[in-house]
Amino acid sequence: SQKIEQNSEALNIQEGKTATLTCNYTNYSPAYLQWYRQDPGRGPVFLLLIRENEKEKRKERLKVTFDTTLKQSLFHITASQPADSATYLCALDITSGTYKYIFGTGTRLKVLA
Amino acid sequence: KAGVTQTPRYLIKTRGQQVTLSCSPISGHRSVSWYQQTPGQGLQFLFEYFSETQRNKGNFPGRFSGRQFSNSRSEMNVSTLELGDSALYLCASSLGTENSPLHFGNGTRLTVT
Repeated sequence: SQKIEQNSEALNIQEGKTATLTCNYTNYSPAYLQWYRQDPGRGPVFLLLIRENEKEKRKERLKVTFDTTLKQSLFHITASQPADSATYLCALDITSGTYKYIFGTGTRLKVLA
Repeated sequence: KAGVTQTPRYLIKTRGQQVTLSCSPISGHRSVSWYQQTPGQGLQFLFEYFSETQRNKGNFPGRFSGRQFSNSRSEMNVSTLELGDSALYLCASSLGTENSPLHFGNGTRLTVT
């Protein structure tokens, strides 16, 4: 079955450092992968999308990489700030089966001031 | 542009009852997806509607059903509620085309007692 794993349930880092979150998947070859941010009590918010033929995508302080050989995506937040504290979810597009998207369980990031 | 609106925000129901949740998508979005979010399972895909037709379905029992109206608004119904149905139910709208990101509402928190 499809499986998406995100590294550790929680990640604490010091303000100003780079946070790196991992998304690993098995048993599928998605055409693209998306990252979302979710704050407590709110729905996820779309951040970035990366296609299978793209190695890297950037948006301001955010960077996503996609390695289809390793079946892994890395999500980086540079110069992290306490306001970046949230849960980050990766999602795979799986349109050939019965699912549209499958989400990882998320990584809870806490940036310490 | 108004975001995705979900009503009600909170619901408390008793086992055996049924419940209907409502979702108003972003204007112009023809796809509405529903997700169940619990601490243990994360975001689980329920189903997706596009132009009033169910286009994708997740692995949930038949007690979970939905529909979409001609104005793209969607409802989700859960019959014969069980304690395990307690969760945050999230609705997401999108253009429904390949790569289009999901725009989530803030969810309906359902508690079954």
